[in-house]
Amino acid sequence: GAVVSQHPSRVICKSGTSVKIECRSLDFQATTMFWYRQFPKQSLMLMATSNEGSKATYEQGVEKDKFLINHASLTLSTLTVTSAHPEDSSFYICSATNGETQYFGPGTRLLVL
Amino acid sequence: QKEVEQNSGPLSVPEGAIASLNCTYSDRGSQSFFWYRQYSGKSPELIMSIYSNGDKEDGRFTAQLNKASQYVSLLIRDSQPSDSATYLCAVKKGGNEKLTFGTGTRLTIIP
Repeated sequence: GAVVSQHPSRVICKSGTSVKIECRSLDFQATTMFWYRQFPKQSLMLMATSNEGSKATYEQGVEKDKFLINHASLTLSTLTVTSAHPEDSSFYICSATNGETQYFGPGTRLLVL
Repeated sequence: QKEVEQNSGPLSVPEGAIASLNCTYSDRGSQSFFWYRQYSGKSPELIMSIYSNGDKEDGRFTAQLNKASQYVSLLIRDSQPSDSATYLCAVKKGGNEKLTFGTGTRLTIIP
């Protein structure tokens, strides 16, 4: 199957700082990438849909000014959590689609102190 | 009614037996159907995709789709302890559209 990478895999930051997470499709071009968040023992929650070269589409209740998404190329999307707070601590997972199937990255575990 | 429904489990199956996971969906416009496996603390991993009515087999896994009944299932034959995970059913209408996930079924294979 196709490979999607995320970096970093784990990050610890102080409250009020910003954190950038990268998502790359390694062996295919992804016109669309998706960003999810998952709290412990809960379901995946879609945060936003990211299309190359255009603004991301955010799900209801997700603050677009807090979670900045940039999809600059067909293989790279970034999620920046701005002014992170402890309640933003979660498992952030991206996925990329080849037009038919979504492949997930390994996830980034964020801990905000 | 939820868009995609799964029994949350936990579902316990003896090692070597067949595990049967079920999923129903509400949108008749759904075209593509997927099963993902998620181990605790990890991201989802694609197990099977199915697009046409009937069965699709891949190794120990068989996906079954019945669009008339809006039902998709996953059978795991010769269950192994390593199959213990949460299984997510997902559907989409097509193309680059987002997936709609069920809440997942937690499967435990008992040695």
